[in-house]
Parts: sequence; C-alpha cells; structure tokens
Amino acid sequence: KAGVTQTPRYLIKTRGQQVTLSCSPISGHRSVSWYQQTPGQGLQFLFEYFSETQRNKGNFPGRFSGRQFSNSRSEMNVSTLELGDSALYLCASSLEISGANVLTFGAGSRLTVL
Amino acid sequence: AQKITQTQPGMFVQEKEAVTLDCTYDTSDPSYGLFWYKQPSSGEMIFLIYQGSYDQQNATEGRYSLNFQKARKSANLVISASQLGDSAMYFCAMREGGTSYGKLTFGQGTILTVHP
Repeated sequence: KAGVTQTPRYLIKTRGQQVTLSCSPISGHRSVSWYQQTPGQGLQFLFEYFSETQRNKGNFPGRFSGRQFSNSRSEMNVSTLELGDSALYLCASSLEISGANVLTFGAGSRLTVL
Repeated sequence: AQKITQTQPGMFVQEKEAVTLDCTYDTSDPSYGLFWYKQPSSGEMIFLIYQGSYDQQNATEGRYSLNFQKARKSANLVISASQLGDSAMYFCAMREGGTSYGKLTFGQGTILTVHP
C-alpha cells in the first residue's frame, strides 16, 4: 500500500513569503503529525491532527499553522518566512491503536528560505 | 532538561560486527513508549523497534534489539551483524503516556558508519 506522501519535496522561498506543504497519510490513518528537522534544533514536534481537529501543538510561533481535511490529508502553512525556517519538514501518520501506535513518516519537504 | 539523550554523535563499526547505540531518557510518567528510527541520507524516517514501559521483555525485530534497562532509564539499540546499508542517522524517541499519540520527543541522533 502507498506510504505517506509529501509534496513538494523541495522548494525555495524568500524571506517574507509564505509556504504551504501537503501531506497525504496512509489510507485509513486518521492521525497526522508534523515535525521540523534542522541541524541545530534536531527534530521538533509542530502539531498533530486527528479527525480534522488539532489535538496537540508544539512550541512554535503562530506563523506556523496547519489543518486537516475530511479525507485525513493535511497541510501546514508557514507565513512571513524567516531564514531560520529553512528545514526538512516531516509528516507522519498513524493508525491510532493501543500499544506502539507507530508513526510512519513521509520523505519530507525540504524548504530553503533565501 | 533533555528528555532523550544520545551521547554518541558518531559511531563506526566494521561490517558483520554488532554495534550498540546509546539512549537515555527522562520522564516521571510511569507509562511511556520508546522508539528507534533510522534516517538514511534520503531523509525518510524508518521505524525500527518499539519498547513499552510495561513490557517485561526486551523488544527484538530481526537484527535489531532494544536493551531496555528501566531502572537506569536507558534504551540502547543493538544492531547485530551490521551491513553497509545500516549506515545512517539513528534517532531514539519517546512518547509519554499523558500525551497524544502523534507527539514524540527525539534525541539528537547518532550517525552510524559501517565500514566494509
């Protein structure tokens, strides 16, 4: 079955612009989480959506936002881009069962802000 | 305080040998889960193994095993019979019981290089 699909894979923006990243979870997965990965800060949790509701949010400014659609696809948006927003943005989906509830990650969207 | 600590920035191992990647964690929650992920240069995070805090036995998945020492709060990953394809970044992560399923806290990672 298809894995987690993230688009676009690479993109370049300039400071002040905004960007929207898309994530299609594995079919049947209703939980989608987003992470930011940078060399300095490592992997940091951005937010999590379940059934179109934001269930958890990391410690990021309000410029970072997201949403989830009825088909579980999710988007995240970053407005007024800063140089420090350059990162690999990873999306993960899960089935929401008890126990391990493993997150399956996509290949990521690599954002470069100039 | 760091919730997940990986003290080895880089590790080297000879092909076919075993290697242990260290991970210590900090939580006061009695219910938690520990994960190991592999990230090749392509960027995708690949799940390797999971250990629940109440699991009595150490988890194993093929060549991967997790050496879980609860009292010491350590969850080291052991890779047996290393292969060249094991060269990658390895992350230890934790989900605490009181948080939602999608939130993991990651360590800084260990770069593993397997030499032929």
